[in-house]
Amino acid sequence: AQSVAQPEDQVNVAEGNPLTVKCTYSVSGNPYLFWYVQYPNRGLQFLLKYITGDNLVKGSYGFEAEFNKSQTSFHLKKPSALVSDSALYFCAVRDINVGDGQNFVFGPGTRLSVLP
Amino acid sequence: NAGVTQTPKFQVLKTGQSMTLQCAQDMNHNSMYWYRQDPGMGLRLIYYSASEGTTDKGEVPNGYNVSRLNKREFSLRLESAAPSQTSVYFCASSESRYTEAFFGQGTRLTVV
Repeated sequence: AQSVAQPEDQVNVAEGNPLTVKCTYSVSGNPYLFWYVQYPNRGLQFLLKYITGDNLVKGSYGFEAEFNKSQTSFHLKKPSALVSDSALYFCAVRDINVGDGQNFVFGPGTRLSVLP
Repeated sequence: NAGVTQTPKFQVLKTGQSMTLQCAQDMNHNSMYWYRQDPGMGLRLIYYSASEGTTDKGEVPNGYNVSRLNKREFSLRLESAAPSQTSVYFCASSESRYTEAFFGQGTRLTVV
């Protein structure tokens, strides 16, 4: 079965510094990978996805993610963090070899705090 | 464009009461999902519907039922609420099993 790991519960970074939120995955076939952000008392908002093609994917709000097949990773990055980026971030994977619903697996989430 | 709309946003139930959480999407998506989010547990799939007229159990279906009323609407029913069902519930939809899902704002349910 597919799985997603986010090895850090919490990431702290100073405003203006680069940030990285880590994600590793396990699937049987080719992965479809996603990042979501959740602000307090809100639903999950889609940030970006990797389906195929360029390993560096650009998304909303200046975020990007790098797909690394050999390391089965899909780390979220931003060159310069903002205080408003503070939120809970979820990595997710779809395994196209698995039926709908069951194929969409989320990581446990990483709380990002950007300090002024 | 409203996206995914859930009602109500907040609800307090007494143990044993029933209620239905409503969800509607206006993106003409085929797939719809119900998740619950609990501290330390992440998102867990309750039920999903891959297309109009079909529903399937997810990871934690016990105590819940669903109805895919039409392509737009997917409701979640608690027949006899229990304190263990205190959670935040999210509805989501996606175009297919290959694409990203879009989430509603959530329903914060407390069962006392």
